[in-house]
Amino acid sequence: DGGITQSPKYLFRKEGQNVTLSCEQNLNHDAMYWYRQDPGQGLRLIYYSQIVNDFQKGDIAEGYSVSREKKESFPLTVTSAQKNPTAFYLCASTRGLAGTSTDTQYFGPGTRLTVL
Amino acid sequence: SQQGEEDPQALSIQEGENATMNCSYKTSINNLQWYRQNSGRGLVHLILIRSNEREKHSGRLRVTLDTSKKSSSLLITASRAADTASYFCATDAFGGSGNTPLVFGKGTRLSVIA
Repeated sequence: DGGITQSPKYLFRKEGQNVTLSCEQNLNHDAMYWYRQDPGQGLRLIYYSQIVNDFQKGDIAEGYSVSREKKESFPLTVTSAQKNPTAFYLCASTRGLAGTSTDTQYFGPGTRLTVL
Repeated sequence: SQQGEEDPQALSIQEGENATMNCSYKTSINNLQWYRQNSGRGLVHLILIRSNEREKHSGRLRVTLDTSKKSSSLLITASRAADTASYFCATDAFGGSGNTPLVFGKGTRLSVIA
């Protein structure tokens, strides 16, 4: 999956709990992204980051938070404020900055989050 | 917001047949990309076509782009059971130098029956 690791593969959470999904890349890519995918649906952008200590909201950022303290790491926290968090979460990266549309996105294997 | 919309949503064919998937988008683009996703996995990049290109080939894949109709098609020739996956088109959201990530469509689910 292109040098991006996500952990864990499966995650179960009780309602009201925050949970953090890990995403690490060893590609030396500048930009990293988090997407949410629901069954039979496309990808919806949650957050993205172009450089360390900077990130921007995507289309569905409410109930999520991120940090980018290191270039290779972009963890996503699903907070209790997210009303319907059960979904498949995908992390991706690109060599250049977001908007360099000739860049290929490299994806991790995904984390499937289930709220019990 | 989703820039690209794939058609059909699902496609089922016999092994050896060709599979054609279409993508329509709304605004001007610089490039269009196609990705593949096996069930429960991450997406994998297949091919990129620039706005000044009309057709591009990669192995059994053929992509066309018609900017006047704001549409693209992905053709997989001589399909195999291993081609069973979902296929997504992705575009930049703005025609200019917009500083935003790719926007993905909802995908076409292809089933190739052996």
